[in-house]
Amino acid sequence: AQSVTQLDSQVPVFEEAPVELRCNYSSSVSVYLFWYVQYPNQGLQLLLKYLSGSTLVKGINGFEAEFNKSQTSFHLRKPSVHISDTAEYFCAVTTTQGGSEKLVFGKGTKLTVNP
Amino acid sequence: GAVVSQHPSWVICKSGTSVKIECRSLDFQATTMFWYRQFPKQSLMLMATSNEGSKATYEQGVEKDKFLINHASLTLSTLTVTSAHPEDSSFYICSARKGQVNQPQHFGDGTRLSIL
Repeated sequence: AQSVTQLDSQVPVFEEAPVELRCNYSSSVSVYLFWYVQYPNQGLQLLLKYLSGSTLVKGINGFEAEFNKSQTSFHLRKPSVHISDTAEYFCAVTTTQGGSEKLVFGKGTKLTVNP
Repeated sequence: GAVVSQHPSWVICKSGTSVKIECRSLDFQATTMFWYRQFPKQSLMLMATSNEGSKATYEQGVEKDKFLINHASLTLSTLTVTSAHPEDSSFYICSARKGQVNQPQHFGDGTRLSIL
């Protein structure tokens, strides 16, 4: 079964600092990878996705992620964060193996940007 | 594009009543819709997957008679929590996907359900 590990439950950073949110997945077959952001009392908003092709994926709000097959990682980065980036971030993976259509989420990383 | 509307956003009701939550894809036709439950400070737990015109597929441990899902059209799915009790209080989120599994799911803003 697939699993997603977000190594950090909380990441505090100062405004304008760079940030990396880590994500590792367990599947050995072809995967589709996603990062979502959740603001308080709201649903999830898609930040970016990796389906195939270039391993560096650019998303909204200045975020990007790099797919690393050998390390089974899909870390999310932003070179300079803003106060408004404070939110919960979820990494998710899905595959087509065995007809599975489940989107499996990591436990989330709470990013707090301090002034 | 890819807007999903979920209604109501917040509902409080007495124990024993039934509550219906609607999920609509506003600008696309959703071949598949999903219902999740999220506990405080936790990730999303998939409850069920539904395709238009067919019965929903429930995840293990989710009571299908408790959580009734109807996917009447390509733009509307409803979740009815029947005879709700305080332990059903939670944040429920729906999502919709157009096309195949490699396409992203688009999420509604969630429904905060509080059972007194």
